[in-house]
Amino acid sequence: GAGVSQSPRYKVAKRGQDVALRCDPISGHVSLFWYQQALGQGPEFLTYFQNEAQLDKSGLPSDRFFAERPEGSVSTLKIQRTQQEDSAVYLCASRGRGTEAFFGQGTRLTVV
Amino acid sequence: QKEVEQDPGPLSVPEGAIVSLNCTYSNSAFQYFMWYRQYSRKGPELLMYTYSSGNKEDGRFTAQVDKSSKYISLFIRDSQPSDSATYLCAMRGMAGKSTFGDGTTLTVKP
Repeated sequence: GAGVSQSPRYKVAKRGQDVALRCDPISGHVSLFWYQQALGQGPEFLTYFQNEAQLDKSGLPSDRFFAERPEGSVSTLKIQRTQQEDSAVYLCASRGRGTEAFFGQGTRLTVV
Repeated sequence: QKEVEQDPGPLSVPEGAIVSLNCTYSNSAFQYFMWYRQYSRKGPELLMYTYSSGNKEDGRFTAQVDKSSKYISLFIRDSQPSDSATYLCAMRGMAGKSTFGDGTTLTVKP
């Protein structure tokens, strides 16, 4: 596709509910990143894939957070048993050779 | 202390002014330096990126990197109201994740 696509754009979850956020990267981009952005702050790194391999998951805040990219293209970020502190914008970015990361529009998650 | 520090502003300038946005960092392993623009409720948009020290110009935008001082800047000439946004600096090593500043909010008044 022309850019990074994320869905849904907005998600309201009840505390304790599981959610799944989807990212479609730019076609051919090997690297894929997930970031979390709180209001008034810069994006904070969550996890990084190169093709289907998850090379860095050091930013995932707890074991309730899980990400996958099984075929090296689309990625899903899953949050189990959501808590209020999980409310944030979740950004996906992809990066190809010789360029820097391009971001999607993000998924705004609100846990009530 | 954060690895990347950025003055949050807000910064308000009249149309046509020259704008200077800056970041400092502490990690000497950073090699790639980026500037993103983020409009409200949108994802960050890549503006410019540079490798190592030096200047890079693209239209009204100039990015500068001084690795010896661990200091990067973005200059916007002839600023326009459409430049009103939050500007994020970001940087990374040879591979992997980028580390972001918290952004500077800029308003350009007509």
